[in-house]
Amino acid sequence: KAGVTQTPRYLIKTRGQQVTLSCSPISGHRSVSWYQQTPGQGLQFLFEYFSETQRNKGNFPGRFSGRQFSNSRSEMNVSTLELGDSALYLCASSLVGVDEKLFFGSGTQLSVL
Amino acid sequence: AQTVTQSQPEMSVQEAETVTLSCTYDTSESDYYLFWYKQPPSRQMILVIRQEAYKQQNATENRFSVNFQKAAKSFSLKISDSQLGDAAMYFCAYRSMNRDDKIIFGKGTRLHILP
Repeated sequence: KAGVTQTPRYLIKTRGQQVTLSCSPISGHRSVSWYQQTPGQGLQFLFEYFSETQRNKGNFPGRFSGRQFSNSRSEMNVSTLELGDSALYLCASSLVGVDEKLFFGSGTQLSVL
Repeated sequence: AQTVTQSQPEMSVQEAETVTLSCTYDTSESDYYLFWYKQPPSRQMILVIRQEAYKQQNATENRFSVNFQKAAKSFSLKISDSQLGDAAMYFCAYRSMNRDDKIIFGKGTRLHILP
């Protein structure tokens, strides 16, 4: 069974641009969640999607958005990039429940210049 | 609001020795889940162990075990017979049983294994 796939692995953008990150969950998993990881702030929850609906959202500005498709694949978009958006963005999938273990992808390392 | 604190940013342990990573959390809820995740240099986080708050028995997974002290809101991870492959960043995480609540991670502890 293939794991969680995130593309691209590395991305370099300049301030003001926008970026779209992609996440393909494990087959059969209906929940996809996104996290931002930085050395200073650690791992912070961005949002979670379940069956194409956003179920939960972290404390991030509206520049951060996401969506989930009918095949459970998810995309995350960041508009008007700022230097502080440089981070590792991790995606995780799980079956359904609260106690489900999360399966993570290898992340997308975003650098904003 | 719930919080998770890992007070040890870095730790080192000799290979084959035992090490304990600390985690404390704050919550007003009585039922919840606690997790330890490992992030090796490959960046892909892997679940190490999971504990349900309503269970008094401490969870164990091979060389990994936890010391769950609910009253003290403490959830430490013990790694026995440390191996070089255990070198990684370890994150403690809390999740409410309320599906609408988000998972909360601590800032992590970087574990070094000395040969």
